[in-house]
Formats: sequence, C-alpha cells, structure tokens
Amino acid sequence: GQNIDQPTEMTATEGAIVQINCTYQTSGFNGLFWYQQHAGEAPTFLSYNVLDGLEEKGRFSSFLSRSKGYSYLLLKELQMKDSASYLCAVRAMDSNYQLIWGAGTKLIIKP
Amino acid sequence: DTGVSQDPRHKITKRGQNVTFRCDPISEHNRLYWYRQTLGQGPEFLTYFQNEAQLEKSRLLSDRFSAERPKGSFSTLEIQRTEQGDSAMYLCASSLELSGDTDTQYFGPGTRLTVL
Repeated sequence: GQNIDQPTEMTATEGAIVQINCTYQTSGFNGLFWYQQHAGEAPTFLSYNVLDGLEEKGRFSSFLSRSKGYSYLLLKELQMKDSASYLCAVRAMDSNYQLIWGAGTKLIIKP
Repeated sequence: DTGVSQDPRHKITKRGQNVTFRCDPISEHNRLYWYRQTLGQGPEFLTYFQNEAQLEKSRLLSDRFSAERPKGSFSTLEIQRTEQGDSAMYLCASSLELSGDTDTQYFGPGTRLTVL
C-alpha cells in the first residue's frame, strides 16, 4: 500500500539550517512535491522532484532518491516566517496518479 | 491572474443541513481538485475534474458528497445531511495539465466547515 512518513515536529533556530525528511512507499513513482502551509492557510507549492538529485531554489532545496524512497527539504538561513507545516506529497501509479500526502512536519523557529 | 478562490471562507451549520461550497480555479487551468483536511493531517483527496468531466472520486467518499463543474470553469461541492464528522477544511486546487509537465496544483484559501 501507499505510505508517506515525515517527522511530526521539528525545532530550529533563526539563521540556522534544517533538513526535513520524507520517506515513501509507492508503486510507479511519478513525482514528489513539497508544500508549505502556514496555520489556517492553504498549502503553497515549494518544489518538485521527479529525477534523483538536488533541486535548489533560493533558500530552499529539495533532494530525491527514488531507489531509497527518500526525499528531504533543506531550508537555509531560517527566518521566523518559515515557521509552518511542510507537507510531502507523492504522485504514483498505484494512486491513479493522484497526490498522496504526508501528515506534514510542523517546523518551529526560535529566535 | 487572481489565483484560486473559494467561497465561503467559513461555514457553520447544524447537523442534517445541506451545504454547498464554490471554487473558482485559475482561469486557464483545466484540472480542478477537491480535498478535505483536518488538523494535523495532510489533505485527503476527494475528487477531481478535467474540464467538465469528473474523472475520479475517492472510494472513501460518502454518497452524501457530490461535486460538479458544469462548464469546465468553477466547481461546486455539496454535502447533504451534514454530520459532525464532516467538520474540516475543504480545499480546492487547480492545475494546468500538459503532456510532460509537472501538473503542479495551486490551492485556494479553503472553506472551513463546522457542523454543530
């Protein structure tokens, strides 16, 4: 069956770097998305990976290893506004190519 | 481009009542999705449309839920005979499906439903 795992909560310090991991089990992998969601708001798109490797976009980078069923989101130079939940979502053949979502990782940034 | 909009933003209703939500996608997007999200969970897929055709509906979705996209633009989600367990955030997302593209979904602000 399909399964996506992320840590429930992480804490980091302003200005530091944090890595949020996501592991998945699917059949017929077809892409992995990271979204940011502030409390009470809708998810906003951050990154997309379909091939192995690192995708860099400003302070945010996302990595994928399809053989390991593993991705991470790397946030650099953390700012207080980065306090949010970070959702990992996978598109795969065994879900009819619909996104299957993790429960999200709540990131708390401390001064 | 005004983004995805949803109406209403909040809805409080009594158990047993019917409610209807509206979603206006990004204008050139051909796909429209409905999700439900509860606190501390990721979005749960409900249904999606490509243009006016409803192509998939979650097997977990009760018959009390119905969605339409009559002209391939805006969509409505109706919940009949609401139950307290229907209380959640209802999210709409749209995307432009092109062959070989990422088909990234962009979300509206959501409708928060509270069933008393």
